[in-house]
Amino acid sequence: EPEVTQTPSHQVTQMGQEVILRCVPISNHLYFYWYRQILGQKVEFLVSFYNNEISEKSEIFDDQFSVERPDGSNFTLKIRSTKLEDSAMYFCASRETGGYTFGSGTRLTVV
Amino acid sequence: KNEVEQSPQNLTAQEGEFITINCSYSVGISALHWLQQHPGGGIVSLFMLSSGKKKHGRLIATINIQEKHSSLHITASHPRDSAVYICAVSPYTQKLVFGQGTRLTINP
Repeated sequence: EPEVTQTPSHQVTQMGQEVILRCVPISNHLYFYWYRQILGQKVEFLVSFYNNEISEKSEIFDDQFSVERPDGSNFTLKIRSTKLEDSAMYFCASRETGGYTFGSGTRLTVV
Repeated sequence: KNEVEQSPQNLTAQEGEFITINCSYSVGISALHWLQQHPGGGIVSLFMLSSGKKKHGRLIATINIQEKHSSLHITASHPRDSAVYICAVSPYTQKLVFGQGTRLTINP
């Protein structure tokens, strides 16, 4: 069964550093998403991406966040200057017209 | 006020019991999703519903659009069903809005 692949599975970074989280969505899917889940809290929407541009973003997705699809297969989330409160599990998801397929997540720890 | 509310928050049952998890939402939606999250954190999609009822193995999901309510049922529950079950809705936008999840524990 096709999978959404996320790398790395766990990343520890110093506060103020830039991180890039990587995702390989399912190849024929058209819609791509980033969600995050702070420990003990519910999953929150960050951004959706369609036709090589952002289609919707949440209040959380401020200027320190950006997304790219650099080579037609990878889908990346960049956090420019990490803060302690960015520590969370970050999920990539993709879909065609139906249900979502989620990656297994990247656990980001900012110290 | 949360747009998606689940009950109960925690549920412990014995193997073999019939399980029901409820989800209420307050916004108009194009679809409702039931998801499963295992202790390692990964999220698996179980059902996408826009009306009626769907069944997959021992899992059954129903939705009542007029009452803005959905239920997830598990028949003949098994310890491997232990996980967090999450209700999420698509409110006519690109995003999913998630409930807080129901932590289910099935004891042998």
